[in-house]
Amino acid sequence: KQEVTQIPAALSVPEGENLVLNCSFTDSAIYNLQWFRQDPGKGLTSLLLIQSSQREQTSGRLNASLDKSSGRSTLYIAASQPGDSATYLCAVNMNRDDKIIFGKGTRLHILP
Amino acid sequence: KAGVTQTPRYLIKTRGQQVTLSCSPISGHRSVSWYQQTPGQGLQFLFEYFSETQRNKGNFPGRFSGRQFSNSRSEMNVSTLELGDSALYLCASSSTPGVDTQYFGPGTRLTVL
Repeated sequence: KQEVTQIPAALSVPEGENLVLNCSFTDSAIYNLQWFRQDPGKGLTSLLLIQSSQREQTSGRLNASLDKSSGRSTLYIAASQPGDSATYLCAVNMNRDDKIIFGKGTRLHILP
Repeated sequence: KAGVTQTPRYLIKTRGQQVTLSCSPISGHRSVSWYQQTPGQGLQFLFEYFSETQRNKGNFPGRFSGRQFSNSRSEMNVSTLELGDSALYLCASSSTPGVDTQYFGPGTRLTVL
């Protein structure tokens, strides 16, 4: 059974710092992996989608990497801003049945 | 292009009642997925519909059901509500299931008293 873990559960960093969020998964037979952000009480916004054949994806200040063999993905945020404060979730799409399994997220707080 | 819309945004029900939630996907998207989000369990997959057919189902009891119409709009129904059904219910749409990015709606906050 696929399990997706995100550590730490919460993180506070000063504005301007670069930071890395971690996501690990137990079954490497994934089709793709997606990073989302969720603002309090709202839906999810897709940030980056990495196909299983890719190693990384970049969008602006965000860079996501994927290492299938070790069951890990990281989301790198450069030059953090207060507006980056949100919960970040990773989700894996399984090959076998296309079910999407989410981690419980990392709650990020950028200190002004 | 309009995003995913969900109605209603908030609902308060009592135990034993039933509820129907609605989701309108992005125009042109034929896949709709439903998720339940609670503080304890996080986001859990309920089911996915594509072209009016249920493609996948998560591990939820039969009280949770759904359907999709020919215009791709989807509804989910929860019968005999329990306190533990209080949650944020999110739907997401995509053009090709399992391949393309999922776009989420704002969710329906259901409170069961």
